Amino acid sequence: EPEVTQTPSHQVTQMGQEVILRCVPISNHLYFYWYRQILGQKVEFLVSFYNNEISEKSEIFDDQFSVERPDGSNFTLKIRSTKLEDSAMYFCASKSETLNYEQYFGPGTRLTVT
Amino acid sequence: DQQVKQNSPSLSVQEGRISILNCDYTNSMFDYFLWYKKYPAEGPTFLISISSIKDKNEDGRFTVFLNKSAKHLSLHIVPSQPGDSAVYFCAASDESQGGSEKLVFGKGTKLTVNP
Repeated sequence: EPEVTQTPSHQVTQMGQEVILRCVPISNHLYFYWYRQILGQKVEFLVSFYNNEISEKSEIFDDQFSVERPDGSNFTLKIRSTKLEDSAMYFCASKSETLNYEQYFGPGTRLTVT
Repeated sequence: DQQVKQNSPSLSVQEGRISILNCDYTNSMFDYFLWYKKYPAEGPTFLISISSIKDKNEDGRFTVFLNKSAKHLSLHIVPSQPGDSAVYFCAASDESQGGSEKLVFGKGTKLTVNP
């Protein structure tokens, strides 16, 4: 069964460093998303991406964040200068273009900023 | 901003009995609702969904009920099995905008099914 994959599973970085989180969505999906879950809190929407551009972003997704689909398979989230409060689980999700509204999530990347 | 609320942080049931997980929402623009199941250190796994034009959707042991007037939905699991023990998230989206259809999640309910 097709699935969303994410790498790395755990990333430790120092405050102020840049990190890139990688995702490979399900191959025939066209909508891509990043969500995050800070420990003990709810899963929060960060950004959605369709047709090679951002379709919506939350107020969390400030200028320190960017997304890219550099080739036909990868979808990346970059945090330019990490802060302590960026420590969270980051989930990538994808959705097909048909009348199927379910989003399928990857296993997540645990980002720890020290 | 709690547009989707799951007021019970935890629920414990006996194997073979019914589990009922509840979810309330405040945004009347939501027109599609989903339940996800999450094990520790894994991503949310899609379980079942329902459109606002329906009041019930069933898939095997899982049934979701939607009461639009009360802005309430529930997930029924019958019979409950120990493998169902996980955190269950209710999520909602506004599909009418034709945009990103982002999901808005509740805080989750941790279900424990005891053998």
